[in-house]
Amino acid sequence: DTGVSQNPRHKITKRGQNVTFRCDPISEHNRLYWYRQTLGQGPEFLTYFQNEAQLEKSRLLSDRFSAERPKGSFSTLEIQRTEQGDSAMYLCASSLGVEFITEAFFGQGTRLTVV
Amino acid sequence: GIQVEQSPPDLILQEGANSTLRCNFSDSVNNLQWFHQNPWGQLINLFYIPSGTKQNGRLSATTVATERYSLLYISSSQTTDSGVYFCAVADDKIIFGKGTRLHILP
Repeated sequence: DTGVSQNPRHKITKRGQNVTFRCDPISEHNRLYWYRQTLGQGPEFLTYFQNEAQLEKSRLLSDRFSAERPKGSFSTLEIQRTEQGDSAMYLCASSLGVEFITEAFFGQGTRLTVV
Repeated sequence: GIQVEQSPPDLILQEGANSTLRCNFSDSVNNLQWFHQNPWGQLINLFYIPSGTKQNGRLSATTVATERYSLLYISSSQTTDSGVYFCAVADDKIIFGKGTRLHILP
């Protein structure tokens, strides 16, 4: 198992453009999480999936953000009409879990810069 | 929601010193993890420790779930231990503290 994989590693985009990030979790993990981290802060929860169902979305996830996990495998996070404030590291994690969560593992992140 | 507080926020030590990082959380949890964030931003798993004590080389961790805190011990610090250490707890989702920035001086 190669762990959690995120692509791309880096993305530079112009303000107003749409961007999409991909996360491939550890294969047997049913839970997948997205986080955003800005400089000097801890990772902030955005949303999570259990299999293909999106169970919770943070208030940080404005209507410009959408996440999907078709077929309960990989997930995509799309940001529409990017703003400079969207510049951050976007982290994905996966774990097992139904009633409780086992150890979570994180990908290397996608660093977004909006210019 | 659950609140996670880490202390101290910053710690500067001489190489060879020992350190203790603390994590307090506001409610019962069924998962607690410690991470080290490397300079490239990746979160490296140190311990999965909902309760009890674990050791891995110079690092050890203790979680007292009934009193809602966890401690990470680093002994004989090395410059490579520098970086940010995060505590994260989970009920449904994983919630992070703000981290402790550790700087080990040579």
